Amino acid sequence: NAGVTQTPKFRVLKTGQSMTLLCAQDMNHEYMYWYRQDPGMGLRLIHYSVGEGTTAKGEVPDGYNVSRLKKQNFLLGLESAAPSQTSVYFCASSHEPDRANVLTFGAGSRLTVL
Amino acid sequence: KQEVTQIPAALSVPEGENLVLNCSFTDSAIYNLQWFRQDPGKGLTSLLLIQSSQREQTSGRLNASLDKSSGRSTLYIAASQPGDSATYLCAVRPSQAAGNKLTFGGGTRVLVKP
Repeated sequence: NAGVTQTPKFRVLKTGQSMTLLCAQDMNHEYMYWYRQDPGMGLRLIHYSVGEGTTAKGEVPDGYNVSRLKKQNFLLGLESAAPSQTSVYFCASSHEPDRANVLTFGAGSRLTVL
Repeated sequence: KQEVTQIPAALSVPEGENLVLNCSFTDSAIYNLQWFRQDPGKGLTSLLLIQSSQREQTSGRLNASLDKSSGRSTLYIAASQPGDSATYLCAVRPSQAAGNKLTFGGGTRVLVKP
């Protein structure tokens, strides 16, 4: 089915380890986003991209890096994981935003940092 | 800085009762407000979007109202069903230029008991 696919769905890391979360969309969307969701805090924007080769910081970018080498993929990297990065990560994509804010979300990736 | 709050964090009602979910925001200068549904292990699905010039939007059993001056939105779900059990989040788009960089509330987890 068309949509946004996130891999892996679950991951456990030790403090200081690195990892990459992959987001792939097959809807030819220009815009892609990485959010994190913590209990009771809603979703917070980490980084986003407005097109292939572009990235920009969101509300909580520290400790994360991103890359958008291909239009369909948006990678979120943790170079040195910390317990504070334990969270559920959601990727989303959209066409250029219009009045309708149509966002398509992935199912999430649950990351635990010990 | 815009802050979005949803109280209560959790709600339990018997089947058939009407649901009333609250969302408040601190800055009344918004472009639009959106309500999402989140099921466990899944991404977010958009339910209703209200533009800043609108007072309410309806879709089936769902009705969302917006009072910008008081910084409030309410989502009404009529005649609740067990299938309505989910977490409901509201999100504010602060301006047209903000695009899909939304500010989310913490969500209200709803349980509809048969």
